[in-house]
Amino acid sequence: GQQLNQSPQSMFIQEGEDVSMNCTSSSIFNTWLWYKQDPGEGPVLLIALYKAGELTSNGRLTAQFGITRKDSFLNISASIPSDVGIYFCAGLLTGTASKLTFGTGTRLQVTL
Amino acid sequence: SQTIHQWPATLVQPVGSPLSLECTVEGTSNPNLYWYRQAAGRGLQLLFYSVGIGQISSEVPQNLSASRPQDRQFILSSKKLLLSDSGFYLCAWSEIYGYTFGSGTRLTVV
Repeated sequence: GQQLNQSPQSMFIQEGEDVSMNCTSSSIFNTWLWYKQDPGEGPVLLIALYKAGELTSNGRLTAQFGITRKDSFLNISASIPSDVGIYFCAGLLTGTASKLTFGTGTRLQVTL
Repeated sequence: SQTIHQWPATLVQPVGSPLSLECTVEGTSNPNLYWYRQAAGRGLQLLFYSVGIGQISSEVPQNLSASRPQDRQFILSSKKLLLSDSGFYLCAWSEIYGYTFGSGTRLTVV
């Protein structure tokens, strides 16, 4: 099935640094979601974006819904060790089944 | 509040054995339900979705099947497991603000 292009694939950063990751698609979506997955757990929703151009924050997290509706980015400011995990973007085109299309994931590792 | 339960958490099964994974949702009615599979180090692949009792749509051809015998129950099954069926299986239901995932089942076929 289709997957969104997410980059970078992985990143090592030092505690306190800012992080940026993005997601692009060849198709438009009317909702973008960002999830974080810890090892052995299901993904947990971080931020949801519903309108092109929308910029939304959740604590140290900020995400934007691209104007073209084909991309989104997630920023994490002042990273801390518990930010470690895999971050997934997901696009949703609402309809009868509201099926999510997931990005390939960004593995974040934070060093002290 | 809405919750989603998925079990078992881990499962080791021999090749050729049957499979049954169960997912139940509480606190909502007539949810859309989904089964995803995640291979090690990979993203999530949609396997099946259901918009109502007895309504199942398959996204990819495979050795698995799904059933929805009750409004808030979604079951993933196989008659004979293959090695390639190993992975992390996630159940989810959709709501206005996005999807909510279960805690997953790690299946290892040996």
